[in-house]
Amino acid sequence: EPEVTQTPSHQVTQMGQEVILRCVPISNHLYFYWYRQILGQKVEFLVSFYNNEISEKSEIFDDQFSVERPDGSNFTLKIRSTKLEDSAMYFCASRGGAAYNEQFFGPGTRLTVL
Amino acid sequence: QQQVKQSPQSLIVQKGGIPIINCAYENTAFDYFPWYQQFPGKGPALLIAIRPDVSEKKEGRFTISFNKSAKQFSLHIMDSQPGDSATYFCAALISSGSARQLTFGSGTQLTVLP
Repeated sequence: EPEVTQTPSHQVTQMGQEVILRCVPISNHLYFYWYRQILGQKVEFLVSFYNNEISEKSEIFDDQFSVERPDGSNFTLKIRSTKLEDSAMYFCASRGGAAYNEQFFGPGTRLTVL
Repeated sequence: QQQVKQSPQSLIVQKGGIPIINCAYENTAFDYFPWYQQFPGKGPALLIAIRPDVSEKKEGRFTISFNKSAKQFSLHIMDSQPGDSATYFCAALISSGSARQLTFGSGTQLTVLP
């Protein structure tokens, strides 16, 4: 069964460093998402991406964040200068097409900022 | 108005019991309501979803009840098993939106005792 994959599973970084989180969405999906889950809290929407551009972003997704689909398979989230409060689980999700609502989530990347 | 409120925060039942998790929303533009199941260290996995034009949907041991006038919906797990122990999130989205980002509830940690 096709699935969303994410790498790395765990990333530890120093405050102020740049990190890139990687995702490979399901191959025929067209819509891509990043969500964040701070430990013990709910899952929060960060950004959605379609047709090589951001279609929606939340207040959390400030200038420190960027997304990219550098090739036909990868979808990345970059945090330019990490802060302590960026420590969280980051989930990538993908959705098939306009006719579908179901989003499929990857296993997540745990980001720890020291 | 974008919030989805979920209760209880945690729930413990005996094997065979019927845990019920409740959610409420304010935004009447929401028109798709999925439930996600999350095991520790994993991403949320879609369990079952409902649209507001039906009052109930059943898939296996999982049932969603939907009350459109009250803007509430709930998940019932029949004949619960220890393997059902997980965190459950309700969510909502606007299917006419281009992004269709999910708004999640705060989660319910379910423990099913053997």
